[in-house]
Amino acid sequence: GGIITQTPKFLIGQEGQKLTLKCQQNFNHDTMYWYRQDSGKGLRLIYYSITENDLQKGDLSEGYDASREKKSSFSLTVTSAQKNEMAVFLCASSIDWGGSYEQYFGPGTRLTVL
Amino acid sequence: GDSVTQTEGQVALSEEDFLTIHCNYSASGYPALFWYVQYPGEGPQFLFRASRDKEKGSSRGFEATYDKGTTSFHLRKASVQESDSAVYYCALGSTGYQNFYFGKGTSLTVIP
Repeated sequence: GGIITQTPKFLIGQEGQKLTLKCQQNFNHDTMYWYRQDSGKGLRLIYYSITENDLQKGDLSEGYDASREKKSSFSLTVTSAQKNEMAVFLCASSIDWGGSYEQYFGPGTRLTVL
Repeated sequence: GDSVTQTEGQVALSEEDFLTIHCNYSASGYPALFWYVQYPGEGPQFLFRASRDKEKGSSRGFEATYDKGTTSFHLRKASVQESDSAVYYCALGSTGYQNFYFGKGTSLTVIP
């Protein structure tokens, strides 16, 4: 088994601030993902990384940057936080890239922008 | 493009009721289909998967059958318990560029 750790659990920022969310996995999985979860909208893909140093944009990538410098870690940066933004950001990993592999999720980082 | 549609946004049942959550998909070929469950304060957890027509996936008393004819993968459970209260997501994995799509989720509340 393994675990995905996301830090911080809660993140409060100011409008226009650059904010970074971190994710670590010990599954030794190749592929990692960042999703945004808004109430009533399900999970929307922001970025994914097929392997170390690879980055691929999802449908919701505008306003975000990502970094995968190690196989076990995947960071997401909100480049300019928007006022009244509130969402949960979920990190996930899968053994390989491809639609047939299940994903394992972390507990999420809850973002609030004042 | 590929997509997944869950018909019900919220479902309320009494304990021991029969559960059905409808999931229909749009994709070419034979995408993999998944069900995930999310409890409050946690990330989604993988329940089970099916990859070919008529294949049944199951876990923890939940089951769904891949039906290519009706492009469906409906989640069913014969007798729900209060502990099944959670949000359930249907998901599709395809071979396209963005290879994973989640439905919008169905919130299940089971009343004791």
